Amino acid sequence: DIQMTQSPSSVSASVGDRVTITCRASQGISSWLAWYQQKPGKAPKLLIYAASSLQSGVPSRFSGSGSGTDFTLTISSLQPEDFATYYCQQANSFPLITFGQGTRLEIK
Amino acid sequence: QVTLRESGPALVKPTQTLTLTCTFSGFSLSTSGMCVSWIRQPPGKALEWLALIDWDDDKYYSTSLKTRLTISKDTSKNQVVLTMTNMDPVDTATYYCARIRALGVDDSSGTFDYWGQGTLVTVSS
Repeated sequence: DIQMTQSPSSVSASVGDRVTITCRASQGISSWLAWYQQKPGKAPKLLIYAASSLQSGVPSRFSGSGSGTDFTLTISSLQPEDFATYYCQQANSFPLITFGQGTRLEIK
Repeated sequence: QVTLRESGPALVKPTQTLTLTCTFSGFSLSTSGMCVSWIRQPPGKALEWLALIDWDDDKYYSTSLKTRLTISKDTSKNQVVLTMTNMDPVDTATYYCARIRALGVDDSSGTFDYWGQGTLVTVSS
């Protein structure tokens, strides 16, 4: 199984900050990577697909990059509604899917 | 619009079998490339993919749980059912169903674009 490792596990930041979250795959996954945002008590929401494509309706301050084994999610200027937990997910081995362990983004 | 909704018991006893139903609308599971998956999330922990069924009735399971899981579909009712045997307290989690399309269907293939709201299942005697 492909393992997905996110870092950091948690990060504290302030409104207006630029934040980067990293996801590393245990083997190459091309660009078959997605990012999700999850708020407490809610289902995850798709933000980015194909490593760098923005899902419809998602603000442009969110961006994704990477290919192969190393990927990043960047929020260019944090807004109050962005404080949440973020997950990466690989689909290279579809239909066998794996998620990262999550990164909790907290208010400093 | 696309919606999914999970239903099932909120409480099960250890060793019992859990049966969850995902009822969806806005798409057909008989459309080529369409799939429905189950994902779970223990309280305060990460998402874990469990199973997937596709438009062709092919079924796929998590390596670690495959001996305990069965996924099935009723296309006429727009429902997908997951059963998990021999429930244990560590299986306490929110269980989600979500739509996903097979790779190659479009640019966002391989991602969960629509999710149910989730159903919390507690395993306790």
